[in-house]
Order: sequence, then structure tokens, then C-alpha cells
Amino acid sequence: NAGVTQTPKFQVLKTGQSMTLQCAQDMNHEYMSWYRQDPGMGLRLIHYSVGAGITDQGEVPNGYNVSRSTTEDFPLRLLSAAPSQTSVYFCASSYSSGQGAFFGQGTRLTVV
Amino acid sequence: GEDVEQSLFLSVREGDSSVINCTYTDSSSTYLYWYKQEPGAGLQLLTYIFSNMDMKQDQRLTVLLNKKDKHLSLRIADTQTGDSAIYFCAEIDTDKLIFGTGTRLQVFP
Repeated sequence: NAGVTQTPKFQVLKTGQSMTLQCAQDMNHEYMSWYRQDPGMGLRLIHYSVGAGITDQGEVPNGYNVSRSTTEDFPLRLLSAAPSQTSVYFCASSYSSGQGAFFGQGTRLTVV
Repeated sequence: GEDVEQSLFLSVREGDSSVINCTYTDSSSTYLYWYKQEPGAGLQLLTYIFSNMDMKQDQRLTVLLNKKDKHLSLRIADTQTGDSAIYFCAEIDTDKLIFGTGTRLQVFP
């Protein structure tokens, strides 16, 4: 079982570029979410989805877009990358919002 | 919003017990979680406790919950070098899983 798969693992962007971080899960989980991890700040929720076609904002949504057209996939789009978006990004999924989440291995993004 | 707080660092000798503490704010959380993150990896669900429980034991791990003080702790018995990692507590806030800042546990021989 693949679990939660994130691609790419590493990415360097120039300021102003756009890109999409991919996240896919094969566990038929309804709930998916994106977090960013910065030193000393733990994990902060960017966007989440409670099912296909439904998304909502988390704590730090500015500069990011998401969509959930299928149960399996939950891509995160950076519209115009900024150095402040340099971080490690984690995708997570769970059967429901009240259940413990499974995490992907992370995408380390550097914006120069 | 909700706030989950943890101390940033803990250093223990191999074989001793480790106690990692966490305070949370949402008294309506039905579950509280502990996650472990090893270097360069994602978070792994370590254990959880249901809000109507005071204690849960799982092999070397003991979770204590004090709902009155909104305090959660994770005790690791006989700490090993393989336990060196960052430990996160987390609570449920409506549909959102809210994490603490993480405690970096360092185990020395």
C-alpha cells in the first residue's frame, strides 16, 4: 500500500513562479489536508477538504489554492511563489476529521 | 483560534524515562494525539487518547490526560536512541487537526 504520496520531494522556485504540489492517497479517505512546517512553529494548516468537491481554509491559506475533484487527489497550488513560502509541506489524509491522520513524506520547497 | 503548546527541547539519558508535556485549549476535543517525526520524514501517529479517559498505556508509552487543566503528557519508559525525534501533540478543532510546536527529544548514552 502506497498510503499518502507527495511529489515532488524537493523543489526550488524563483520568486513569482507558480507550481503545484501533488498529493494522492489510496486509502479511500474522505478527509485530506495540507500543512506547512517551519522551525519553531510546528505544523500550520493551509487548506483542508472533508470530501470531493469540498475545500476550506485553514490557518495560513494566503498565496495557496486547492481543489478536490476526486477522493484520491488533493493538489496544492502556489500562485506566485514568495520567499516566505520556503518551507516543508505535508499532505495528510484520514477516514474522517476526527481520526488520526496519515502523512506523506513531505515536499521541501525553497523560493529564491 | 485554538492553541496547543509544548516545550521545544528535552534531553534524557538512554534508559531513563522521558516525559513530554502539552497544554491545549479546546475542551471539546474528542481525541488527542501524539505524533512522532524522525529526521527527514513525515509524521507518524504514535498513540491517541479519547477525551473520556485519564490514562492509556501502550507498551513503553503512557499517555496521561488531565481535562481540568487541559494538560496532556506522553511518557516513554526506558528511552532508547531510536526514540530521538520530534514529538507533536495535536487536538481536533471542529474539522481541523491542530498541532503543537513539537518537542525535540534528544537521547544521549
